[in-house]
Amino acid sequence: DAGITQSPRHKVTETGTPVTLRCHQTENHRYMYWYRQDPGHGLRLIHYSYGVKDTDKGEVSDGYSVSRSKTEDFLLTLESATSSQTSVYFCAISGASYYGYTFGSGTRLTVV
Amino acid sequence: KNEVEQSPQNLTAQEGEFITINCSYSVGISALHWLQQHPGGGIVSLFMLSSGKKKHGRLIATINIQEKHSSLHITASHPRDSAVYICAVSAVSNFGNEKLTFGTGTRLTIIP
Repeated sequence: DAGITQSPRHKVTETGTPVTLRCHQTENHRYMYWYRQDPGHGLRLIHYSYGVKDTDKGEVSDGYSVSRSKTEDFLLTLESATSSQTSVYFCAISGASYYGYTFGSGTRLTVV
Repeated sequence: KNEVEQSPQNLTAQEGEFITINCSYSVGISALHWLQQHPGGGIVSLFMLSSGKKKHGRLIATINIQEKHSSLHITASHPRDSAVYICAVSAVSNFGNEKLTFGTGTRLTIIP
């Protein structure tokens, strides 16, 4: 989607390896989010950021860490990937309250 | 019980039919979102509403705050409307942003 890009789009990795997913925005939005999407669960919040170096946990944060050193970049790291982290990961951005969300195109991660 | 319930989970209809997808929620919200996700694709925000009704092209979204219920209608449905439609509700966090809680989606298939 315009203004927000995720990389990589697809990744296959082995159990126990570290993985970093990148979300980049050009909208200068304050808020950035990482979600995972799994069948039967819908989208679930992993972590979010409300400013540079300001982050908070979501409902499924175990096994994940995030960093935001610049407004435009929000990184999601799986310290030691497990098969349960096989999922589609979406990044999203939003402006101030009541502005609405813009989602990235998603990253399909497979942990084997 | 999920905080956001959608019905039906799956819907198949003929081209041209009037489509209704329902969303009920059980928590206080600041806004309700309707999102669209095509197979293998990203997520697009269709509507964000906190009261009344919004219309965009053939899509109409309504919300009844007292009944905690929203509907998404599609008039003159077309095969390109085939997608998963996701309802999400938002509440303002301590950091000023909207935090979303998602339904599991309604898979719509329009047959030519």
